[in-house]
Amino acid sequence: DTEVTQTPKHLVMGMTNKKSLKCEQHMGHRAMYWYKQKAKKPPELMFVYSYEKLSINESVPSRFSPECPNSSLLNLHLHALQPEDSALYLCASSQGWSGGAAETQYFGPGTRLLVL
Amino acid sequence: QKEVEQNSGPLSVPEGAIASLNCTYSDRGSQSFFWYRQYSGKSPELIMFIYSNGDKEDGRFTAQLNKASQYVSLLIRDSQPSDSATYLCAVKTSGGSYIPTFGRGTSLIVHP
Repeated sequence: DTEVTQTPKHLVMGMTNKKSLKCEQHMGHRAMYWYKQKAKKPPELMFVYSYEKLSINESVPSRFSPECPNSSLLNLHLHALQPEDSALYLCASSQGWSGGAAETQYFGPGTRLLVL
Repeated sequence: QKEVEQNSGPLSVPEGAIASLNCTYSDRGSQSFFWYRQYSGKSPELIMFIYSNGDKEDGRFTAQLNKASQYVSLLIRDSQPSDSATYLCAVKTSGGSYIPTFGRGTSLIVHP
């Protein structure tokens, strides 16, 4: 089973709202990722958690706040977003950092976010 | 700057033909290479990964890696209209980071 789930599938929010995106995997993967993808562009890395600790923050604005409550869950808290933040938000996981097949990332279905 | 280059396309092939998608990378120390398929509005789906020089086959898909020339390609045999999608090449480069660098993707259109 290589399933990563994400909720919600779609989200519309105003610039003053606070919302959260959720991601879950039960593959025992120890690395989890958040990506942002705009139309006709490749996924753009935002955050990486390794063993439930934030390992990489790609200079993402503070209006995006990640959280990893446990090894299976990853959240992305959103606050005071801008219309240009509208995009497909993808969660991915991989077994870890040990190299080889363990590096393979598996993506969730994504959350389509529209900021009005 | 570690770069992964793909022709954005679209690459148009007739049904039943072989589609050839190419990807070049700049970091000679790159070690892991991945091909993802992404349908419009959907998330990337892993097709294949390859680590060693040569060919790796999985069904209708063959990945070819040439580290000396710094390219990796994906061949799709007997192309079907359902193969129409954007194909993303991802490369894990050397060094401390195990995060892949994605190419911009090649749009493939298979017409009946």
